[in-house]
Amino acid sequence: DTAVSQTPKYLVTQMGNDKSIKCEQNLGHDTMYWYKQDSKKFLKIMFSYNNKELIINETVPNRFSPKSPDKAHLNLHINSLELGDSAVYFCASSQDSWGGGYTFGSGTRLTVV
Amino acid sequence: SQQGEEDPQALSIQEGENATMNCSYKTSINNLQWYRQNSGRGLVHLILIRSNEREKHSGRLRVTLDTSKKSSSLLITASRAADTASYFCATDSNTGKLIFGQGTTLQVKP
Repeated sequence: DTAVSQTPKYLVTQMGNDKSIKCEQNLGHDTMYWYKQDSKKFLKIMFSYNNKELIINETVPNRFSPKSPDKAHLNLHINSLELGDSAVYFCASSQDSWGGGYTFGSGTRLTVV
Repeated sequence: SQQGEEDPQALSIQEGENATMNCSYKTSINNLQWYRQNSGRGLVHLILIRSNEREKHSGRLRVTLDTSKKSSSLLITASRAADTASYFCATDSNTGKLIFGQGTTLQVKP
């Protein structure tokens, strides 16, 4: 009964491929996020959704497309993968968009070769 | 854009000693949060301090916030080997997102 679960944990793929990462939370939270952590451990927000509605899109290339079929799920699809996309991607959720702590998934380590 | 900067970037101490990490930020905030990340794992929320609070405690953790200096500190008392991890501050400026600092890597030697 993991609170925020994302799959897969590891993803190795070739440049140019399309891949998806799935995220599910069972906390009943209204808001979900995708963060990218680079090799220097710097965490940067990519997207956030509140109750299936996109509320934050941070200058992310349009090769990245989030999809939220319901408020418990937020998936990330990446087209035409590039070497620079290699990173750890974290899904997170919070009760609402304002003022609370986040619960993070364990991350997906994406390696593009 | 990055909001928080943490200091030091790396810290190595002996078990039983106290560890202090500092975080500075640039804009006004609603609250500031501290997270821990063990190697290869996700971030775990430790403590949240609101802009109208100056100090907060949780177990062996003590967080202070000085909004006039735009800075916060995290003190871990009586450290244990299990405290070895990276620690991140994150600011909430009522923008609907948390902005993270670069983190402090703490090593506690047994």
